[in-house]
Amino acid sequence: EPEVTQTPSHQVTQMGQEVILRCVPISNHLYFYWYRQILGQKVEFLVSFYNNEISEKSEIFDDQFSVERPDGSNFTLKIRSTKLEDSAMYFCASRGAGGPNTGELFFGEGSRLTVL
Amino acid sequence: DAKTTQPPSMDCAEGRAANLPCNHSTISGNEYVYWYRQIHSQGPQYIIHGLKNNETNEMASLIITEDRKSSTLILPHATLRDTAVYYCIVRVAGSSSGSARQLTFGSGTQLTVLP
Repeated sequence: EPEVTQTPSHQVTQMGQEVILRCVPISNHLYFYWYRQILGQKVEFLVSFYNNEISEKSEIFDDQFSVERPDGSNFTLKIRSTKLEDSAMYFCASRGAGGPNTGELFFGEGSRLTVL
Repeated sequence: DAKTTQPPSMDCAEGRAANLPCNHSTISGNEYVYWYRQIHSQGPQYIIHGLKNNETNEMASLIITEDRKSSTLILPHATLRDTAVYYCIVRVAGSSSGSARQLTFGSGTQLTVLP
């Protein structure tokens, strides 16, 4: 069964460092998403991406965040200068195209980011 | 997207049916009901969705009331591996028009299946 894969599974970084989280969405999917979940809290939407541009973003997704689909397979989330409060599990998701009766998002297993 | 209300937690005996309720009294005509679950910090997993008819797949059944203001997810024979947080989400379905239509997760229902 096709799946969304994410790397690394766990990254520890120092505050102020740049971090790139990588995702390989399902190959024929067209819509891509990043969510995050701080320990013990809700899953929060960060950003969606379609046709090589950001489709929607939340208030969390400020100037220190960026996304890219550099080579047609990877979908990356970059945090320019990490803060302690960026510590969370980051989930990538993708969705295929389709008519109005679709909409299932496939999620990866997540990348745990720990900022010290 | 319409707001949903779910009980924070429920228990179910292994092998019995788990019935998870969801209220979505402000749902509008073009909004679907989606159910996802999250097993202990893993990525959320799609279960089922529906518009107004009841739906069934290999994982679960979805019963939507006639007025569409509430729904119930049924896991017919719960196992220990079904212990998870279950999210009921209401939103307009994705389309091919380019709308990414992200999901908004609430707090969900923590289902604990007891041996």
